[in-house]
Amino acid sequence: KQEVTQIPAALSVPEGENLVLNCSFTDSAIYNLQWFRQDPGKGLTSLLLIQSSQREQTSGRLNASLDKSSGRSTLYIAASQPGDSATYLCAVILGGATNKLIFGTGTLLAVQP
Amino acid sequence: IAGITQAPTSQILAAGRRMTLRCTQDMRHNAMYWYRQDLGLGLRLIHYSNTAGTTGKGEVPDGYSVSRANTDDFPLTLASAVPSQTSVYFCASSVTGGKGKAFFGQGTRLTVV
Repeated sequence: KQEVTQIPAALSVPEGENLVLNCSFTDSAIYNLQWFRQDPGKGLTSLLLIQSSQREQTSGRLNASLDKSSGRSTLYIAASQPGDSATYLCAVILGGATNKLIFGTGTLLAVQP
Repeated sequence: IAGITQAPTSQILAAGRRMTLRCTQDMRHNAMYWYRQDLGLGLRLIHYSNTAGTTGKGEVPDGYSVSRANTDDFPLTLASAVPSQTSVYFCASSVTGGKGKAFFGQGTRLTVV
C-alpha cells in the first residue's frame, strides 16, 4: 500500500528565508507527483506537477525535485513571503489505470513578517 | 470561469437523512474524484471515475455512492448519514493517464448531527 509522508508537520520561518519541504513515498511505481497549496477553509491549488521521467520542475520561486529511486520529493521555496503561509501537500498518482492521487498529511507553513 | 463547482458550500444534516453533494466541471476532464479531509487524517479518496459511465472505490467508500452519467457531473450520495461522515468533502478532476494537474473544488463542509 502506498504511503506518503511529509516532514515537518509544521514550520515557521522569518520572511526572506529559503526553505525546503519534504515528501517521501513508499512505492516508487508512481506515474507523477504533484505539490498543492491549501489556504485555510479553501480548496487545493496545484503548484507543480513532476512526471515520473522528470527530475524537477520550476515555477517562479518554487522548485520541486523528484527522486523516484529513493522515494523522495522536495519543494524548495526561495525568498519566502508572508503570502506563502499555507498548508503544502504532496500527492503521488499511481501507475496503471486508476489515476488515484494519494496525499500526504501536509506541512503547515507560517512565514513571519 | 473554468473550473469545478461544488454545492452546497456547507450543510448541517440530521443523522439518517439522505444527501447528495453536487460536483460539476467544465474542463472536459475524463477523470473525477471525491475526497474527504479530516484533521490528522489528511485527504482520503472515497470514489473515483476514470471516464463517464465508470466508477471505482477508493480508500473509504463505505456509506457513499457515486454515479457518472456524463463527463461534467459526478455527484456523491450519502444514503443514510452518520456523525462519522462529518467532514469537508472535495471534488477534483484531471485528464486521464496522470498527465495533467488535478483541479479541486472549494469543498463542502458537512456536519451530521
